[in-house]
Amino acid sequence: AQKITQTQPGMFVQEKEAVTLDCTYDTSDPSYGLFWYKQPSSGEMIFLIYQGSYDQQNATEGRYSLNFQKARKSANLVISASQLGDSAMYFCAMRDPGTDKLIFGTGTRLQVFP
Amino acid sequence: EAQVTQNPRYLITVTGKKLTVTCSQNMNHEYMSWYRQDPGLGLRQIYYSMNVEVTDKGDVPEGYKVSRKEKRNFPLILESPSPNQTSLYFCASSVGHLAYEQYFGPGTRLTVT
Repeated sequence: AQKITQTQPGMFVQEKEAVTLDCTYDTSDPSYGLFWYKQPSSGEMIFLIYQGSYDQQNATEGRYSLNFQKARKSANLVISASQLGDSAMYFCAMRDPGTDKLIFGTGTRLQVFP
Repeated sequence: EAQVTQNPRYLITVTGKKLTVTCSQNMNHEYMSWYRQDPGLGLRQIYYSMNVEVTDKGDVPEGYKVSRKEKRNFPLILESPSPNQTSLYFCASSVGHLAYEQYFGPGTRLTVT
C-alpha cells in the first residue's frame, strides 16, 4: 500500500536560513507524483511544488526546491532563505495513479523565528 | 478567478441532524474529492469522483454520502452526524491527470455535539 512518512512533527529555523523538511514514500507503482502543500494558521491548503517520478531533474519553484532521491524513496522539501511567513504546517503527498487520490503524510509544523 | 468554494465555512450541529456541505469549482475539472483533516493524521480521502455520475469511496467513507450530478458541484452529505465526524473538511478538484495539483477549497470546520 502506498504511504507517505514525515518523521519531523516540528522544526524550528531562523529567518534567512535554509531548512529541509523530510518526506519518504512507499509505492510499487513506477508512475507517481509527489506534492508539497503548505497550510498556514488560516487553514487553507496551498500547493507549493510537484515532482513526477520520471522527472530527471529536481523540481524548483522560487525559494522551494524538492530534493528527489528515487532510489531512497525520499522527496525532501528545501526552503531557502526562510521568512517569517513560512511558519506553517507542511504536508508531503503522493498521487495514486489509479484513483488520483492524494495520500498525505502527517505533516511537519515549521516555525521561523527572527 | 479560478477557485473551489465550500459552504458553510463553520458549522456546529447536533448528533443525528442531517447536513450538507456544498462544494463548487469553476475550472471545469473532471476530478473532485473530499478529505477530512484530523490532528496527527494528516488529510484522509472520504470520497472522490472522476467525472459526472462517477463516484467512489476513499479511505474513510463511513457515515458520508456524495453525489455528482453536475461537473462543477460535489456536495458532501452527512445523513446522521456523530461526534467522531467533528473535523476540518476540504473539497478539492483537479484535471484528471497524475501530474496536476489538486486545488483545495477553504475548508469547512464541522463540530458535532
